[in-house]
Amino acid sequence: AQTVTQSQPEMSVQEAETVTLSCTYDTSESDYYLFWYKQPPSRQMILVIRQEAYKQQNATENRFSVNFQKAAKSFSLKISDSQLGDAAMYFCAYRRAGNMLTFGGGTRLMVKP
Amino acid sequence: NAGVMQNPRHLVRRRGQEARLRCSPMKGHSHVYWYRQLPEEGLKFMVYLQKENIIDESGMPKERFSAEFPKEGPSILRIQQVVRGDSAAYFCASSLMASGGPDTQYFGPGTRLTVL
Repeated sequence: AQTVTQSQPEMSVQEAETVTLSCTYDTSESDYYLFWYKQPPSRQMILVIRQEAYKQQNATENRFSVNFQKAAKSFSLKISDSQLGDAAMYFCAYRRAGNMLTFGGGTRLMVKP
Repeated sequence: NAGVMQNPRHLVRRRGQEARLRCSPMKGHSHVYWYRQLPEEGLKFMVYLQKENIIDESGMPKERFSAEFPKEGPSILRIQQVVRGDSAAYFCASSLMASGGPDTQYFGPGTRLTVL
C-alpha cells in the first residue's frame, strides 16, 4: 500500500521569508501524481500545486514550487515570500493512475509578522 | 461555475441516530470521492463513486456506512446508528475523469459531524 509521510508536524516562517515543507512517499508504481493541498482554518481543501511523476521538471505556481526527487521518493514544497495568508495546514498527497488520494498527516505552517 | 457543494456544513446527532451527508459535484463532473478527517489527522479515503456505481469502497467501514450517487441528484453518504467515534469532518471531492491523466480532485467545504 502507498504511504505518505510528512515528518514536520509544525513549521514557522517569518513573513517575506522562504520555507520548505517536506514530504516522502512509498510506492512501487511508476506512473503517479503528487499534490500539495492547503487547509486554512475554514477547513476548505485548496489545491496548491501538482506534479506528474513522468515529468522531470519541477512544478511551479507563482510563489509555490516543488522539489521532486523521484528516485528518493521525495516531494517538498517551497513557499517563497511567505505571506500571512499562507498560514494553514498543508497536506501532501499521492495518487496513482487511478482514483483515490492518499494523504500525509499534515504540517501546520505558522507565519510570523 | 459553482464548486463542489456539501450540506449540511454542520450536523449534530445523538448516538444511535442516522446521519445523511450530501454532496453535489462540480458541473460536468461524474466522479465523486468521500474522505474522512479525524481531528488533527490527514484525510482518509472512504469511497469512490460514479453515477449509479460504487467503484471502490475499500476505505469505508463494512457496517453502518453506505454511499450512493444516483443518476439524478447529489451523492449521499449515510451513517446509521452513529457512535461518538464517527465525529469527524467528511469531505467530498469530484473530478472530471478518473483514469490516467493528472485528473485533479476538487474538494467541497466539508460536513462536520458531531455525535453527542
